[in-house]
Amino acid sequence: DGGITQSPKYLFRKEGQNVTLSCEQNLNHDAMYWYRQDPGQGLRLIYYSQIVNDFQKGDIAEGYSVSREKKESFPLTVTSAQKNPTAFYLCASTPQGASNSPLHFGNGTRLTVT
Amino acid sequence: GENVEQHPSTLSVQEGDSAVIKCTYSDSASNYFPWYKQELGKRPQLIIDIRSNVGEKKDQRIAVTLNKTAKHFSLHITETQPEDSAVYFCAAASWNTDKLIFGTGTRLQVFP
Repeated sequence: DGGITQSPKYLFRKEGQNVTLSCEQNLNHDAMYWYRQDPGQGLRLIYYSQIVNDFQKGDIAEGYSVSREKKESFPLTVTSAQKNPTAFYLCASTPQGASNSPLHFGNGTRLTVT
Repeated sequence: GENVEQHPSTLSVQEGDSAVIKCTYSDSASNYFPWYKQELGKRPQLIIDIRSNVGEKKDQRIAVTLNKTAKHFSLHITETQPEDSAVYFCAAASWNTDKLIFGTGTRLQVFP
């Protein structure tokens, strides 16, 4: 979906460094979500935001942080406290929240930490 | 907490046969149940969804059923084709949190 842009597609970092993943949408959606995908484990919710300047923890928020200063943007920071940061990260948005309308996903960022 | 279980984890069928994927959810506040298809290296894409006030929904070869009492919902694909091969995810969203929780996925392989 061209309306949600995640960058970069591939990201490499050294252990101990914080890294921020970008997610921008031009769909005028209120709600945005971050998921982590690991082989065999499906998509796990990290953080989500239903409105600007507000966000909630998902099921695996430890070691991550987010901000929602603008409606269009929902960056995710993977901190050095995240024990297993190597994964595929997916950002998504939806007009009114996931219980009302389907998520539209970005193309993802594959993060590798060595 | 909320949980969505999905079975089977892998499913192999012959072209033309039907495929069924089953999910259960734990949160009584769940009211929206989308299904996503993810091809290798690509993002998940919605294929069908159902709301808690509906028991069944069909879109061409794809159908979804929901049993609220048992907290079960299922995806049915008829007349499978090789291009149906992908990973399928069920999910459940709750009206009181707007959290969308995914199952662990089913890898479907359709052999010609």
